[in-house]
Amino acid sequence: GENVEQHPSTLSVQEGDSAVIKCTYSDSASNYFPWYKQELGKRPQLIIDIRSNVGEKKDQRIAVTLNKTAKHFSLHITETQPEDSAVYFCAASDENTGNQFYFGTGTSLTVIP
Amino acid sequence: GAVVSQHPSRVICKSGTSVKIECRSLDFQATTMFWYRQFPKKSLMLMATSNEGSKATYEQGVEKDKFLINHASLTLSTLTVTSAHPEDSSFYICSARGGASGTTDTQYFGPGTRLTVL
Repeated sequence: GENVEQHPSTLSVQEGDSAVIKCTYSDSASNYFPWYKQELGKRPQLIIDIRSNVGEKKDQRIAVTLNKTAKHFSLHITETQPEDSAVYFCAASDENTGNQFYFGTGTSLTVIP
Repeated sequence: GAVVSQHPSRVICKSGTSVKIECRSLDFQATTMFWYRQFPKKSLMLMATSNEGSKATYEQGVEKDKFLINHASLTLSTLTVTSAHPEDSSFYICSARGGASGTTDTQYFGPGTRLTVL
């Protein structure tokens, strides 16, 4: 089965700096990679996703890059703000076989004002 | 669009009783729903995949007789924790696959249910 690893587990950045979270996956059949943001006690919220037919996707201050050959994908947050502080989860799935998500272990991001 | 509700948000019960948690997709039809368990500061652990009109598929190590899942319609799935024990205390989150406007591939999460078993 799929195995998703996520690093780092904790990350602290100064407000305005960039934050990068990296994930690797093991199953080459995975073709869909969403990122979720979860605030304490709240539901995970989809913030961006990417499919295997593209290498990069951007939405304002958030971007995701995908390297299929190396089987890794990364979340980039620029100009970080205190409200970006949360736990971020990456996931990988194969849309052709039921879309079960395999989640990474999470990254706790703290943006220091 | 793509809103998922979950009820109740919090429940406290006595050991040995059963608790039912409902997960609803409010503005789309969800052919597949997922049930997760999340421990504090941990990732989401998939418990089972629920398909409308068929039996749920449970992950290894999850007792299907203890965690009963019913997906009776395209907008409702229920998880019943039977004969609850304190070790069942956790945050249970459902998600639904699907969405409006042809967005059928991602999962949208409910707000979660905090279960405490005394």
